[in-house]
Order: sequence, then structure tokens, then C-alpha cells
Amino acid sequence: DAKTTQPPSMDCAEGRAANLPCNHSTISGNEYVYWYRQIHSQGPQYIIHGLKNNETNEMASLIITEDRKSSTLILPHATLRDTAVYYCIVRVWGSQGNLIFGKGTKLSVKP
Amino acid sequence: GAVVSQHPSRVICKSGTSVKIECRSLDFQATTMFWYRQFPKQSLMLMATSNEGSKATYEQGVEKDKFLINHASLTLSTLTVTSAHPEDSSFYICSARLTGGGEKLFFGSGTQLSVL
Repeated sequence: DAKTTQPPSMDCAEGRAANLPCNHSTISGNEYVYWYRQIHSQGPQYIIHGLKNNETNEMASLIITEDRKSSTLILPHATLRDTAVYYCIVRVWGSQGNLIFGKGTKLSVKP
Repeated sequence: GAVVSQHPSRVICKSGTSVKIECRSLDFQATTMFWYRQFPKQSLMLMATSNEGSKATYEQGVEKDKFLINHASLTLSTLTVTSAHPEDSSFYICSARLTGGGEKLFFGSGTQLSVL
């Protein structure tokens, strides 16, 4: 699986958009970008995934650059409950194995 | 979405005792479940892959005789920490793959194990 690079931490004001970047410059053509988050003392939670088109769901939007070497997860209106560690993972669809978690980005939403 | 129930959420035990952690997929069948361990301020580390009806596959450095995994049905996997010691204190998390659901894994809420 391609390696990802994320900033270790970010702050965001409550109610504002949180934009979390991820670099995956060695991504291959059949690898998807997945985002999970882990709120303190809980198991990770799936957020969104995409291949090359931008994606949106009820939780977030995922913007993938045209060359697919980086992506941004957008939480449009961050709340205090969005404070968590966000993990960007690159993986081949249907590859049956486990997810490999890096260190992620610790997002702190502040009032 | 699919729900994975993990129990207990927290356990405190004496050194030398065994602790069993259950992981259930409540509304779907999971042929594969994963067990992770997470130490404070660190990321999740895979311990083993549990396949229904067969022996679990352990990651390098994880003692299979100490961390017993049983995946007896399509909805239940258990992790037993045998003869627990203080260094086994950690946050244990299970996850299940929705059969036919691609790469989405669903995670339990985790078990905080504290060995005195």
C-alpha cells in the first residue's frame, strides 16, 4: 500500500470548515483513498473514500487532486464532537487485508 | 451502517489472570475480523486476523499462545489474553469486514485493559 503523510496536528474554530490534507505521492492507479477518524477512547469510524472523483456524504467531502498525489478531507462545519485523530489510508479496493493506520492528524476543534 | 459490538468496554484484572474480550457483528456476517492493540498516544497496531472456522493469523511479535483468538461463528470472535501482565495493559479494538462490502471495516468501541 502507498504511504501517506499527514500533519500531526491541526486546530479549527467551531463552526468553521476543517480542511485536513494528506499526501500520497506514490499512489497507484487502483488504490483508493480512505478516511477514518478515532475519537478518544473509541474505535475508529469510517468517514469516506474515493478513487479520483471528489466525493461527498453526510459527514464530509473528499477532494482528490487531478494527479491523485494528494487529497483533502473537508468537514464543512466543524463541531466540538469532531475533535479526533483523522487517518488517511490508501488501499487497493477488495484486497481483503487489514487497514494499516499511520499516525494521523489530531484535529482539535475549539470553541 | 453496520454495527460491531465489543465487550467489555473496560476491565481491570490482577496479574496472572485471563481476560476474554468479545467482538460481535450485530447486523451482518463477517468472515474476517481483525484485532488491534493501541498504546497511549500511538496508532493502532494489528495483532491478528481472525477467520471464521480456521486458525487466526498472527502478526510478527504477537504470541499466539498468549493472545488466543476464536472465531467460531460468522458473527463472533473472541480474544483471550492469558496470564495477563501489566505490560499487556492497552486498548484492544476489534474490527469486522462486511462480506462483499469492499474495504470498509467496522470497528468495535474498544476494550481498555488494565492489569494490576
